[in-house]
Amino acid sequence: NAGVTQTPKFQVLKTGQSMTLQCAQDMNHNSMYWYRQDPGMGLRLIYYSASEGTTDKGEVPNGYNVSRLNKREFSLRLESAAPSQTSVYFCASRTGSHNSPLHFGNGTRLTVT
Amino acid sequence: AQKVTQAQTEISVVEKEDVTLDCVYETRDTTYYLFWYKQPPSGELVFLIRRNSFDEQNEISGRYSWNFQKSTSSFNFTITASQVVDSAVYFCALSEAGTDSWGKLQFGAGTQVVVTP
Repeated sequence: NAGVTQTPKFQVLKTGQSMTLQCAQDMNHNSMYWYRQDPGMGLRLIYYSASEGTTDKGEVPNGYNVSRLNKREFSLRLESAAPSQTSVYFCASRTGSHNSPLHFGNGTRLTVT
Repeated sequence: AQKVTQAQTEISVVEKEDVTLDCVYETRDTTYYLFWYKQPPSGELVFLIRRNSFDEQNEISGRYSWNFQKSTSSFNFTITASQVVDSAVYFCALSEAGTDSWGKLQFGAGTQVVVTP
């Protein structure tokens, strides 16, 4: 059982380049999330999808777009990367009920030069 | 506004000492859930515990214990007789059931625990 799978694990971009981070879960979860982790800032919510067909902004959505492709997949796109987007990105999923914990992928370390 | 505050940035202890991590949260909802996660140096995020707002019983799991006090909006975490393997960043998180916050799970900034032999 793979759980939450993120690709790629590492990526280096130049300012202005675009890329898509992929995330897939095989736990039949309804809700999926994208977080970024920066030193001293904890995990900050970028976007989430409470259920298939819906997406909502989190705390730090500027510069990102998301697509809930189907129940399994939730991608995060950087249209024009900036150095401020250098971070570790985590995808997560949960069943959809408020008491369910998040299950996290292993993260993508992105560097924008 | 920060809804989950972990005021301790880093705590250093010597092995076998106890360590307590503070978590203070803010919510207007009467129904909410609190979580603790561990992030070891390898980087993955590991779920440790969940607590709902209606259950103020303290919980113990091995060397880990949690103290939930609604009166002070705190959900503190204690590691008893710490070990080197406890070295990690620990995150507290809040999930609210209200309409505006539905679906979101918000994290504190984390506390780095360093346990030296």
